[in-house]
Amino acid sequence: AQSVAQPEDQVNVAEGNPLTVKCTYSVSGNPYLFWYVQYPNRGLQFLLKYITGDNLVKGSYGFEAEFNKSQTSFHLKKPSALVSDSALYFCAADTNAGKSTFGDGTTLTVKP
Amino acid sequence: DAGVTQSPTHLIKTRGQQVTLRCSPKSGHDTVSWYQQALGQGPQFIFQYYEEEERQRGNFPDRFSGHQFPNYSSELNVNALLLGDSALYLCASSLAAGVPSGNTIYFGEGSWLTVV
Repeated sequence: AQSVAQPEDQVNVAEGNPLTVKCTYSVSGNPYLFWYVQYPNRGLQFLLKYITGDNLVKGSYGFEAEFNKSQTSFHLKKPSALVSDSALYFCAADTNAGKSTFGDGTTLTVKP
Repeated sequence: DAGVTQSPTHLIKTRGQQVTLRCSPKSGHDTVSWYQQALGQGPQFIFQYYEEEERQRGNFPDRFSGHQFPNYSSELNVNALLLGDSALYLCASSLAAGVPSGNTIYFGEGSWLTVV
């Protein structure tokens, strides 16, 4: 069975500092990996995805993610955090069958 | 271009009742998936519809059923509601289920279901 783990329930960073939100996966076959952001009482918004190719993927709002096959990780990063980045972030894996498995989410808090 | 739209946004039901949630996919998308997101958890895959048929199903009981219409819109039905069914129900649309994916999935704002 495939699974996605987000080992940190909460990440706190100061505005202007770099941020990392961690994600590891366990899937069979080629992993298609996604990051989504969810603001309070809202649906999920797509940030970026890895399908194949370059291990560093760039997405919306200045976010990027690094795919590491040997460590089965797909960590979300941003060089300089903004207070407005504070939200709930989800990592997801989508197998060839088109079904997505999500992690439990990481709450990012960026303090001024 | 309208994104994924869901209705109703909020509803309250009593245990044992039945509920129907509705979803219109993003323009041009033909695949609809439904997810349940309980408080403090990530979304859990319920099932996926493509070409008006259920293509994939998660670990949910038969009380959860769905339908896809020729215009690609979809309904989620839950029978014999339990307190544990209280959650945010998310509809997601994409292109072409059943082929190697990686297609971006777009989510609606969700329907908040409270069972009392």
